[in-house]
Amino acid sequence: KQEVTQIPAALSVPEGENLVLNCSFTDSAIYNLQWFRQDPGKGLTSLLLIQSSQREQTSGRLNASLDKSSGRSTLYIAASQPGDSATYLCAVRQSNYQLIWGAGTKLIIKP
Amino acid sequence: ETGVTQTPRHLVMGMTNKKSLKCEQHLGHNAMYWYKQSAKKPLELMFVYSLEERVENNSVPSRFSPECPNSSHLFLHLHTLQPEDSALYLCASSQDTYYNSPLHFGNGTRLTVT
Repeated sequence: KQEVTQIPAALSVPEGENLVLNCSFTDSAIYNLQWFRQDPGKGLTSLLLIQSSQREQTSGRLNASLDKSSGRSTLYIAASQPGDSATYLCAVRQSNYQLIWGAGTKLIIKP
Repeated sequence: ETGVTQTPRHLVMGMTNKKSLKCEQHLGHNAMYWYKQSAKKPLELMFVYSLEERVENNSVPSRFSPECPNSSHLFLHLHTLQPEDSALYLCASSQDTYYNSPLHFGNGTRLTVT
């Protein structure tokens, strides 16, 4: 049974720092992996989607990597800003509509 | 208008009440989903509809009853809920149910069962 783990559960860093969020999964048989952002009391916004054949995806200050064989993905945020404060979730796709979710990392960027 | 709209944003109901959550998508998508998000727990998929036909019922108790009258609207009818059903209920849509279709989420309904 696929399990997705995100460590740490919470992270607080000063503004301007580069940071890495981690996501690990137990079964490498996945179609893709997605990173989402959730602001308090809001829904989820898709940030990056990495296909199983890809190693990384970039969007602005965000870079997501995927190492399927080791069951790991990282989300790198460059030059963090207070507006980056949110909960970040990763999810792996194992079938057409079934996403397996991590519990999220709550990120706080201190001004 | 946002892509996926959920109403109400907040709902407080007693254990004997009957209420409904509504979701509407303006993206022309063919698949819609209900998810449950409880504190400190991963999102749980509840129901999936594709072209108005239910394709997944993820062992959800019968006190939750979904309805999809057309591809733009999705409802979740609630009756005789339990306090542990208190959570954020998220609706999502996608072009179809294929693995490459990204999900678009609404802002959720915060449900409190007293």
